[in-house]
Amino acid sequence: QKEVEQDPGPLSVPEGAIVSLNCTYSNSAFQYFMWYRQYSRKGPELLMYTYSSGNKEDGRFTAQVDKSSKYISLFIRDSQPSDSATYLCAMSGNRGNNRLAFGKGNQVVVIP
Amino acid sequence: KAGVTQTPRYLIKTRGQQVTLSCSPISGHRSVSWYQQTPGQGLQFLFEYFSETQRNKGNFPGRFSGRQFSNSRSEMNVSTLELGDSALYLCASSPPTGTSLQETQYFGPGTRLLVL
Repeated sequence: QKEVEQDPGPLSVPEGAIVSLNCTYSNSAFQYFMWYRQYSRKGPELLMYTYSSGNKEDGRFTAQVDKSSKYISLFIRDSQPSDSATYLCAMSGNRGNNRLAFGKGNQVVVIP
Repeated sequence: KAGVTQTPRYLIKTRGQQVTLSCSPISGHRSVSWYQQTPGQGLQFLFEYFSETQRNKGNFPGRFSGRQFSNSRSEMNVSTLELGDSALYLCASSPPTGTSLQETQYFGPGTRLLVL
């Protein structure tokens, strides 16, 4: 079983829809959870960062972490064509541990 | 602040050759990590360097190696290239310990390596 599971299936949504992405993980030592966005032919860019369980909102983006279920989610409200990208979840354990475990990523296409 | 830079951006090599990739972290960042990204495996951690020392290592063969210089710039080397080494190689740097977001990483644009 991989440390981080993210269903890599592509997702197409109409503009304005809510995009819902999620990852599950097996390592209970993970405490720091991130979502990265990667545009084609670019490196991943940090989108959201959450420590431990809880919700975090930043504009149209909401990240949720449920450590009891080992489940994290990303919601994108009022999706725009510019949100079309691959979204990767990532996580790490102890503070100062810079080894990130990534999900495989979801390719999201927002159709105008 | 300038972001993470990587050179070259594209490389074509043949099997058996070796390759060296370069990474310059964000100014003030001393930790540099390397990842391999392929469609089949996604992003996989190669190794991390901090203060010129390898601090973490992933599950890659010894053909993959790296080093870090006193100015925090890093290089990774792959010897005896195989077809399966074709991938996007990403470098990332992390904020200093004790600062916010120290657990996060900031990625460069990557070096796309094609092995023929």
